[in-house]
Amino acid sequence: AQRVTQPEKLLSVFKGAPVELKCNYSYSGSPELFWYVQYSRQRLQLLLRHISRESIKGFTADLNKGETSFHLKKPFAQEEDSAMYYCALSDQAGTALIFGKGTTLSVSS
Amino acid sequence: DAGITQSPRHKVTETGTPVTLRCHQTENHRYMYWYRQDPGHGLRLIHYSYGVKDTDKGEVSDGYSVSRSKTEDFLLTLESATSSQTSVYFCAIRTGDNTNNEQFFGPGTRLTVL
Repeated sequence: AQRVTQPEKLLSVFKGAPVELKCNYSYSGSPELFWYVQYSRQRLQLLLRHISRESIKGFTADLNKGETSFHLKKPFAQEEDSAMYYCALSDQAGTALIFGKGTTLSVSS
Repeated sequence: DAGITQSPRHKVTETGTPVTLRCHQTENHRYMYWYRQDPGHGLRLIHYSYGVKDTDKGEVSDGYSVSRSKTEDFLLTLESATSSQTSVYFCAIRTGDNTNNEQFFGPGTRLTVL
């Protein structure tokens, strides 16, 4: 079964601390993975796509096929990073996205 | 904003009434999606469309129907709204090509069923 697991509902860190938002997936074959971010009451925005290997707003994510993980990392959290983060997996047919339940990141000063 | 809008943005209705939500895009993308967002559940796919009059069910399609009579519009209908359908509804379009399932989301519709 295709599944995305985000084990943490809430992650609270202090400004300047490192951040790691966990994402594990279940998929047969080569997965296509994304991170989306949703700031308070706004639309979801694409943050990262694993194939592009870009760093957006200081965030990076590496696909680890051995551990079936796609954790999102940032070395120094900022208050403006506070948001809901969703990990998503493209389904086997390549038509729809399967989302994790999301992790709320709270960065305080 | 990739030219995607949703209407209405907020709606309060009563149990048993029909409700239609509209998603409109201006960029002629083939794939369009309806998701619902609920605390503790993340986003779940309701229905999607891969062309005019071509639609398919998602994970939580019961109680919902969709129609796509033209490329730019994708309608979600709750035939008889129930309180369990109180949610935030997001429309999305697939902006990637055949090898890229990147999706762009609309602003959302907050629906309350009393």
